Parts: sequence; structure tokens; C-alpha cells
Amino acid sequence: NFMLTQPHSVSESPGKTVTISCTRSSDSIATYYVQWYQQRPGSAPTTVIYKDTQRPSEVPSRFSGSIDSSSNSASLTISGLKTEDEADYYCQSYDRNNHVVFGGGTKLTVL
Amino acid sequence: QVTLRESGPAVVKPTQTLTLTCTFSGFSLTTSRTCVSWIRQPPGRALEWLALIDWDDDKYYSPSLKTRLTISKDTSKNQVVLTMTNMDPVDTATYFCARGSSGPNWFDPWGQGTLVTVSS
Repeated sequence: NFMLTQPHSVSESPGKTVTISCTRSSDSIATYYVQWYQQRPGSAPTTVIYKDTQRPSEVPSRFSGSIDSSSNSASLTISGLKTEDEADYYCQSYDRNNHVVFGGGTKLTVL
Repeated sequence: QVTLRESGPAVVKPTQTLTLTCTFSGFSLTTSRTCVSWIRQPPGRALEWLALIDWDDDKYYSPSLKTRLTISKDTSKNQVVLTMTNMDPVDTATYFCARGSSGPNWFDPWGQGTLVTVSS
């Protein structure tokens, strides 16, 4: 089974831009879609990015997703950081056997 | 409006079998490329995918938990049931169900989750 590796935590100031990486251990990152979920304390996860780069209509355009085949990783970028963006972020993908994997999560602190 | 709600026991004893039910509305599990998945999250830890069942009744399980899990659906009741055998304290977690879109395997929305504690 493959793994998705995320940084444990990132921090940045309000108004700045932060990027969270998600590196896939095997198979090309470009072959299987990547999703990103935001989870605030005590709440269920919600989608911020799906199918690598797509953003649900209710998610601000400050959130964007990308993939980089050279590093076999996906990235979530949040620009114009707001204190409300402080949360845990998880990447998620799957493999040819339809086994789903979540990354270990990244705690974003906006200070 | 799509909603999902998990239900089941709050506490189970070690070695017992856990049965969780996901009751949903606003979509049908007979619709092509639709699925429902179970995901869990131990306190303070990361999300862990458990199982998925799709509109065609295909079932997929986490390789590490496959021997303990069974997922099934009742389309007439709009329910998906997950059973997990031989429960252990390390299985203490919040268990979520979520609607999925097969192919991208994108899960949205999620239920609120139900906390299951394994303790004697």
C-alpha cells in the first residue's frame, strides 16, 4: 500500500501565503486524483480541493491545489491567510485497487 | 440537501463486534458512480480510511483491517452498515461515514461522526 506524507505542522502570519505538501510514496501522483480536506476541532472534515485542482463553489478562491510530477507530490496553497483558516488539513488519494489513503494531516497555525 | 448520520454504541467491550449504521438522505446509492465510505479518527490523530461500498455493490477494504471489516448496504432504507470484529482499545475513535464519488473517490459531505470507546 502507498503512503501520503505531509508536514506535521506549518505556521504563517495573516495575509501571507502558505503551501502544504503531500508526497506520494509509489505510483505517479498524476494517475490518481488528490483531494484536500479541512478539519476544524470537533468538526467533520470538509472539502477544500477535489480532483487535484477543483474547488467547491463555497470555498474561497484563496485555496488552490496543484500536482508536481517531478516531486510526485500534491500541494495545497492558501493565500491571504485568515485566522479562520487555522485548522488541520488532510490530503487523500487512492490506488488501482481502489484502496483509499489519507495523509497524516498538517496543523496550520495562523499567528 | 445531502446528509449522513452515524449511529451505533458509544461503548463496546474488548473482543466484541462493533456494528455501525450510516443513514443518509438526499442521494441514492443506486445512482451510478456513487459510493459510501467509512473513515475513523482516533482522538488527536489522523483520519484512517476503513471501507467503501459503491452503487454496484462492489466493496473495498483497508488492507490492514480487511479481515475484521464487513460493509453492506440497504438501498431501500438508505443505510450502509459497517461491522468490525474483535474490537480492541486501539480502535477507540470517532467513526465517520461520507458520500463518495467513485473514480476520484472524493468524499463529501461527511456525517458528524460517532465516538466509539472500547473499554472493559
